[in-house]
Amino acid sequence: AQKITQTQPGMFVQEKEAVTLDCTYDTSDPSYGLFWYKQPSSGEMIFLIYQGSYDQQNATEGRYSLNFQKARKSANLVISASQLGDSAMYFCAMRDGNTPLVFGKGTRLSVIA
Amino acid sequence: DSGVTQTPKHLITATGQRVTLRCSPRSGDLSVYWYQQSLDQGLQFLIQYYNGEERAKGNILERFSAQQFPDLHSELNLSSLELGDSALYFCASQTAQLGSTDTQYFGPGTRLTVL
Repeated sequence: AQKITQTQPGMFVQEKEAVTLDCTYDTSDPSYGLFWYKQPSSGEMIFLIYQGSYDQQNATEGRYSLNFQKARKSANLVISASQLGDSAMYFCAMRDGNTPLVFGKGTRLSVIA
Repeated sequence: DSGVTQTPKHLITATGQRVTLRCSPRSGDLSVYWYQQSLDQGLQFLIQYYNGEERAKGNILERFSAQQFPDLHSELNLSSLELGDSALYFCASQTAQLGSTDTQYFGPGTRLTVL
């Protein structure tokens, strides 16, 4: 069965610093996709970045990058140059084959001025 | 803006009542997913429709039902509401039915409060 683990319930980071949010996953399917979503206090779920299991390079989207270590089954999100607006819940999610997204419990990031 | 719309944004109702949540997917997307987000259960998949047909079911209660119409909008019906049904309900859409590479884009959610 799929499983997503986010071990950091909460994180603090200084403005303009980089931060890494951890995510480990478990699946027996060789083909899968990993996703990160941001949920601000307003409640909407915002797609940030995607990594496919066969992708050779780590995904990047602006200040977001995904540190994909396939052997370790980890897909950590790196946010560079943190901004106050980055304060939110961050969810790691995975799907394989035809399955729906399975989400981790999330990490609450607080950016400090 | 993800392009997925959900109405209403907020809904307050009483136990035992029935409500309907509505979702319009992004233009061109054929798949619609419904999720429930509650404090104790986290984000849980409820049900998926693809081009009008039910494709997958998750942890959806028998009191809940959904459908997808020919214009591809979807409705989630919640009946005999209980206090524990209070949650944020999301609709998400994606282009295809299959494929782990397809990104799901979420609507803004409907916050349901059952009093």
